[in-house]
Amino acid sequence: DAGITQSPRHKVTETGTPVTLRCHQTENHRYMYWYRQDPGHGLRLIHYSYGVKDTDKGEVSDGYSVSRSKTEDFLLTLESATSSQTSVYFCAIRTDGTGRTEAFFGQGTRLTVV
Amino acid sequence: QKEVEQDPGPLSVPEGAIVSLNCTYSNSAFQYFMWYRQYSRKGPELLMYTYSSGNKEDGRFTAQVDKSSKYISLFIRDSQPSDSATYLCAMSARAGTALIFGKGTTLSVSS
Repeated sequence: DAGITQSPRHKVTETGTPVTLRCHQTENHRYMYWYRQDPGHGLRLIHYSYGVKDTDKGEVSDGYSVSRSKTEDFLLTLESATSSQTSVYFCAIRTDGTGRTEAFFGQGTRLTVV
Repeated sequence: QKEVEQDPGPLSVPEGAIVSLNCTYSNSAFQYFMWYRQYSRKGPELLMYTYSSGNKEDGRFTAQVDKSSKYISLFIRDSQPSDSATYLCAMSARAGTALIFGKGTTLSVSS
């Protein structure tokens, strides 16, 4: 699992509440990503980070924000949760070793907005 | 046209069959290609990694990249019921950029 831990693994929240998902890695990789996975859409990029305090938007960033104050932690915040944000959220890291640059995923957070 | 196209299936085969999974893409700058396997309610697991063109083999799995045709394939030999999962192709143009995924192909191997 490349030392990636997502928390919480499951969450049910009410519409309009803020929610923060955490991704923690143990190997100090520079690149970290948040994806959401929905039936019929596959994995879509929400936000990504290429270093501490360096983040950028992905394909489906509206309604989400991120922060990375430490190399090992990448937080995803739903500012005011909506039912359309019910999804499975995956964090990923990408290695940046010489000649190889694989991406590894966490186990996911299943979020339900009611 | 989507950047990465992948037939969602489902694909059903008997145990021992050779399985061929494919993706096409439109961005000629893609040079990093990966295949992931995802079991139900689990995270994607990296199966194969290929840089640029060519073939790569790992046990029962072979990945092929044809950049001239913008086409990648994953072959599974002697398929097993434990291979039943969704297979995702993914690719990127540069080392640090986010992967772009196909929507996945669901495979079922019956014993």
